[in-house]
Amino acid sequence: DIQMTQSPSSLSASVGDRVTITCRASQSISRYLNWYQQKPGKAPKLLIYAASSLQSGVPSRFSGSGSGTDFTLTISSLQAEDFATYYCQQSYSTPLYTFGQGTKVELK
Amino acid sequence: QVQLVQSGAEVKKPGASVKVSCKTSGYTFTSHAIHWVRQAPGQRLEWMGWINAGNGHTKHSHTFQGRITITRDTFASTASLELSSLRSEDTAVYYCARDSGTSYAYFDSWGQGTLVAVSS
Repeated sequence: DIQMTQSPSSLSASVGDRVTITCRASQSISRYLNWYQQKPGKAPKLLIYAASSLQSGVPSRFSGSGSGTDFTLTISSLQAEDFATYYCQQSYSTPLYTFGQGTKVELK
Repeated sequence: QVQLVQSGAEVKKPGASVKVSCKTSGYTFTSHAIHWVRQAPGQRLEWMGWINAGNGHTKHSHTFQGRITITRDTFASTASLELSSLRSEDTAVYYCARDSGTSYAYFDSWGQGTLVAVSS
C-alpha cells in the first residue's frame, strides 16, 4: 500500500499568516493527490484535487502544488474559519486510497 | 444539490454486526461510485471500501477482509455498509462519500457521518 506522510502534525498560526503543509507519498503518485479540510464534528470537505485544481466554491487563498512524491497545500492568508485539520489523500492506486495522518492548524 | 444522508448512530456489543445506510439525491446515483471512510476518535481518516453504483462491483481494504459488505439499491439511490464481528476498535464515525467520477477520483461530497460505538 502507498503510505502518505504529512508534516507538520500540528502548527500554530495567526490570522493573516501564510501557512504551508506538506505531504509525501511512499512512491510516485503523479498528480493523484487531493486535500481535504475537516472541522471538529464535521465531515471532511474537498479543497484541492489533482494536486493543484481548486474545488468549486473554495476560496482562492487555498492552493496546491507538487507531483511525484512531494506535495504542498498553501493557505496564503489564514482566516479565522481556516482553523481545522487538513488531510492529504492519494488516489493513484485506485480504489485502494490512503490518507495522511492530518495536520491540525491551531490559533497561536 | 448533491446530498448524502446517512442513518443514525448505533451502539453495538462486541461480536455483533452493524449496517449503515447512505441515501443520495441530486444526481444520477449509478453514475458515481460511493466510498466508505471511517475515523476512530482522534485518528486519521481510513478508507474502507468502494462500490461501483452502476454495476455493483466492490473492493475493500484488506484490513476488513471477511468482515465488510457494501451493497447498493439503485431504486432507492442508497448505498449501505455492513461490518460484522465488531470489536471495540471499530468504534468510529463512518462516512460515505461520492466519487467524482473523473480519472483523478476524489471525494467531492460526503455524508454527515454515523457514529458506531462498540461496547459491552
